[in-house]
Amino acid sequence: EVQLVESGGGLIQPGGSLRLSCAASGFTFSSYWMHWVRQAPGKGPVWVSRINSDGSITSYADSVTGRFTISRDNAKNTLYLQMNSLRAEDTAVYYCVRFSGIITWGQGTLVTVSS
Amino acid sequence: EIVLTQSPGTLSLSPGERVTLSCRASQTVTGSYLAWYQQKLGQAPRLLISGASSRATGIPDRFSGSGSGTDFTLTISRLEPEDFAVYYCQQYGSSPFTFGPGTKVDI
Repeated sequence: EVQLVESGGGLIQPGGSLRLSCAASGFTFSSYWMHWVRQAPGKGPVWVSRINSDGSITSYADSVTGRFTISRDNAKNTLYLQMNSLRAEDTAVYYCVRFSGIITWGQGTLVTVSS
Repeated sequence: EIVLTQSPGTLSLSPGERVTLSCRASQTVTGSYLAWYQQKLGQAPRLLISGASSRATGIPDRFSGSGSGTDFTLTISRLEPEDFAVYYCQQYGSSPFTFGPGTKVDI
């Protein structure tokens, strides 16, 4: 069974940093582009970032460029999102998603940026 | 960036009714890479349709998708009580991948 499990969310003060992880199983992780999508409370989903299969190509939404870094460890079947200089507007549930092949979402991890 | 517009914003319906949701793109969606999701409060989006018309595994056949280019439709042939939710369309053919604002299907 294809599965994506996010972790690392929590309450963080504005200006702080957090690293999210997404553990993948049930498929050949190293063959797929992977993405992060977030959803603020009461709002629709918004794409955040993507990374290609070997980690050499990345792209970001304008709202997070320069503050967030996506990466992956194919040996550990894990996707990461390093989030720096966090702002209140980054408060959201963060989902790890595979959009190629059978679209698959994780259950999400909540990040709350508040003092 | 491809902007997706969904209409209507909210629909108030009754169980048993047929519903058609619209999703219009500002540019052609490459390869008809258009997905539909259902979302209930506190849950992750649930994939209903990918590739504009392919039902995801386990999705009842009362859900169907159609369309190409810039105009796409999700049809629920007969509403069940569990279908009352928010529905989002999303294009994943061109980066940045974008979502529509959603249609709420209400009782």
